[in-house]
Amino acid sequence: EAGVTQFPSHSVIEKGQTVTLRCDPISGHDNLYWYRRVMGKEIKFLLHFVKESKQDESGMPNNRFLAERTGGTYSTLKVQPAELEDSGVYFCASSPQGVGQPQHFGDGTRLSIL
Amino acid sequence: RKEVEQDPGPFNVPEGATVAFNCTYSNSASQSFFWYRQDCRKEPKLLMSVYSSGNEDGRFTAQLNRASQYISLLIRDSKLSDSATYLCVVMGDSNYQLIWGAGTKLIIKP
Repeated sequence: EAGVTQFPSHSVIEKGQTVTLRCDPISGHDNLYWYRRVMGKEIKFLLHFVKESKQDESGMPNNRFLAERTGGTYSTLKVQPAELEDSGVYFCASSPQGVGQPQHFGDGTRLSIL
Repeated sequence: RKEVEQDPGPFNVPEGATVAFNCTYSNSASQSFFWYRQDCRKEPKLLMSVYSSGNEDGRFTAQLNRASQYISLLIRDSKLSDSATYLCVVMGDSNYQLIWGAGTKLIIKP
């Protein structure tokens, strides 16, 4: 079974540019999550999709971040325009239906804003 | 106060020793608990879920004390390959959002 895959693995862009991260969850997992770890801090929740619907986006830092999951399969997270403080590792995770199910993580996208 | 607190580490331990990680959480309504392991520059990987009755998987034992809001992980007969950062994770009220500790780095020395 393929795991959660994320693309790209690394991205280096300049402040003010736009970047789009992609996540392909484990096949059949309705729940998809985005998390972020900025240097020196804990991993923080960004948002949660159930199929194509945003269930919880309370962790999104501001309106420069836009997440979509059209069709309920893969998801994208767009940052526009990118700022220096957006640098970090962005993880995607997925889980099957059911309360308390463990979440399985992708390798993450390491984003560096110059 | 952080929602999930762990020993700051790092732990430097000789191979074969027993290692204990401690974690406390602030939200008494939390229902699900996990230990994840993260190798350098890799994704977090689920090590084990933690149940009230305690659970064991080979050399690893996890325990939960709801009254004290305390979670532990014990590694027996530690191996070089156990070197990693161990993350205590609590599922929040929503039953989906994971709340992460900062992690404790473990270094096993030969």
